[in-house]
Amino acid sequence: QQQVKQSPQSLIVQKGGISIINCAYENTAFDYFPWYQQFPGKGPALLIAIRPDVSEKKEGRFTISFNKSAKQFSLHIMDSQPGDSATYFCAASRGSNYQLIWGAGTKLIIKP
Amino acid sequence: NAGVTQTPKFRILKIGQSMTLQCTQDMNHNYMYWYRQDPGMGLKLIYYSVGAGITDKGEVPNGYNVSRSTTEDFPLRLELAAPSQTSVYFCASSSLPAVQFFGPGTRLTVL
Repeated sequence: QQQVKQSPQSLIVQKGGISIINCAYENTAFDYFPWYQQFPGKGPALLIAIRPDVSEKKEGRFTISFNKSAKQFSLHIMDSQPGDSATYFCAASRGSNYQLIWGAGTKLIIKP
Repeated sequence: NAGVTQTPKFRILKIGQSMTLQCTQDMNHNYMYWYRQDPGMGLKLIYYSVGAGITDKGEVPNGYNVSRSTTEDFPLRLELAAPSQTSVYFCASSSLPAVQFFGPGTRLTVL
């Protein structure tokens, strides 16, 4: 119930391609779904986030798609660049509970 | 603003030694967190705090202790270090739900 399942574990995409990372959850009480980006040797940093009343949110080349009925959300990176190579974590939280429930992470490699 | 700072950056401990990982934030955030990240793995919550004087256990608290005497500082204490505690430790803080700001991490090796 508390888990957020993330896939794939690793992903290799050619430069200019679309990177897609998927997450699924069970707890319908979750109401905030952020994605964090972590470069090697650094701490994670918030990339983009969505609430369940919105089906899609776009910020530059990064888009979150949200499917409330399927309890799934995904991160799409358009025109992927080598600088996007990083580990991406999805997460979820419940209202005033400030504990994030984290996915296991996806290591993304963009090949030039 | 420095954000979240952590010291030391690296540390090697011998089995059975103790140490304190320091974390300081200058954003006046009420909420602070300690995570560990094992190689190639995700983040596991060790302890968190919702304000000065208030702390609670996360997913993997065994072998660790915390205190929160001020809003700014949230040190993590390792007692009797074990090889299983070899990891990268991240401190984070937040004021808004789920918008956590992370420090640069402390890489700890226990031999």
